[in-house]
Amino acid sequence: SQTIHQWPATLVQPVGSPLSLECTVEGTSNPNLYWYRQAAGRGLQLLFYSVGIGQISSEVPQNLSASRPQDRQFILSSKKLLLSDSGFYLCACTLQGYLDTEAFFGQGTRLTVV
Amino acid sequence: DAKTTQPTSMDCAEGRAANLPCNHSTISGNEYVYWYRQIHSQGPQYIIHGLKNNETNEMASLIITEDRKSSTLILPHATLRDTAVYYCIVRVPSYSGAGSYQLTFGKGTKLSVIP
Repeated sequence: SQTIHQWPATLVQPVGSPLSLECTVEGTSNPNLYWYRQAAGRGLQLLFYSVGIGQISSEVPQNLSASRPQDRQFILSSKKLLLSDSGFYLCACTLQGYLDTEAFFGQGTRLTVV
Repeated sequence: DAKTTQPTSMDCAEGRAANLPCNHSTISGNEYVYWYRQIHSQGPQYIIHGLKNNETNEMASLIITEDRKSSTLILPHATLRDTAVYYCIVRVPSYSGAGSYQLTFGKGTKLSVIP
């Protein structure tokens, strides 16, 4: 079955510092990949999704970016963090075709920008 | 993907059935209804999905109205571990031929199971 690895689990970063969160998927190939953010007490906000290597769709304008350098690797980055970037970041994947029955989520990274 | 509407919060007594409603009045013919839940500080967990027939698995039952404009997730015997935020979403899976890659969650229903 599919497993999503996210790291780190928690991160405290100063305002203006760069960010790189990595997500890797095991157990499948050619997945659709997603980055979500959840601010404290709020719902899940879709940030980016990718249907293949180098293909990124952005859902909301922001100072974050995403990249997919390999089939099962999805990276969320920022050049300069803002206080408003604090939140719980989740990576998810769905499968293609008849295997597309559910989304699988990682355990998340809790980012605090100070 | 169509939008969904869910109550903000609900309480349920432990051992009783929890019935969580979801309104999806603009659902299109090839959109499925999916339910997920998120226990505090964890990633969401898939529960069940369906198109138009009622569905049941080891976790829950999904009842979809005949016009498909609303659905109800039923946890038959709620336990304290079922306390979570429950999300109802609608989407077209990729095997339907016009699949949407977007996976959009609303605010969900915060279910509190009371001892």
